[in-house]
Amino acid sequence: NFVLTQPHSVSESPGKTVTISCTGNSGSIVSNFVQWYQQRPGSAPTTVIYEGIQRPSGVPDRFSGSIDSSSNSASLTISGLQAEDEADYFCQSYDDRNRVFGGGTKLTVL
Amino acid sequence: QVQLQESGPGLVRPSQTLSLTCNVSGGSINSDYYWSWIRQTPGKGLEWIGYVYYNGNTYYNPSLKSRIHMSVDTAKNQFSLKLTSMTAADSALYYCARESVTNNWFDPWGQGTLVTVSS
Repeated sequence: NFVLTQPHSVSESPGKTVTISCTGNSGSIVSNFVQWYQQRPGSAPTTVIYEGIQRPSGVPDRFSGSIDSSSNSASLTISGLQAEDEADYFCQSYDDRNRVFGGGTKLTVL
Repeated sequence: QVQLQESGPGLVRPSQTLSLTCNVSGGSINSDYYWSWIRQTPGKGLEWIGYVYYNGNTYYNPSLKSRIHMSVDTAKNQFSLKLTSMTAADSALYYCARESVTNNWFDPWGQGTLVTVSS
């Protein structure tokens, strides 16, 4: 079974930078697209990064994505943290044709 | 701007079949996208259930495949999910979402509909 592992929670102060990791237990995360979704309380998820590094229009450039093939992982970095960034973040990729989500990371902006 | 809206019963009895519909507005379901169902629980997080394409082609999560049926109604611009043999473990917030065939991201999502399995 393909599993994407994320830290359960991270916290950082406003104005700082935080990075959330997403590690695959098999296969190659590099060759499969990785998406990142932001979910605020009571709302549906919205995409902040797709194809590992692409940002949808309307998403601030404070959000960036990267891939590390050596560790089979993807990362979401949020710089200049703002209170509105406090949310759950999920990574998502593929296992053959099956779509798989990470367990989610709760970001707290202190 | 495409919007999705789920509809269906909030309560389902154990062993019964869940039927949900997702209405698509602001765009045509006859387009090059996968129309997906995703569910969310506090314990298991987000779980992709499967997709239906506008021509009726489907692909289901292997872990749920034996219990799922998805269909599309192009005349009504909506798609549907049926999940059989419901148990308490199927209690969840069910979302419909559009997945880009080319960029492989889910956008937009519906607001979600809460389904509880209980007698």
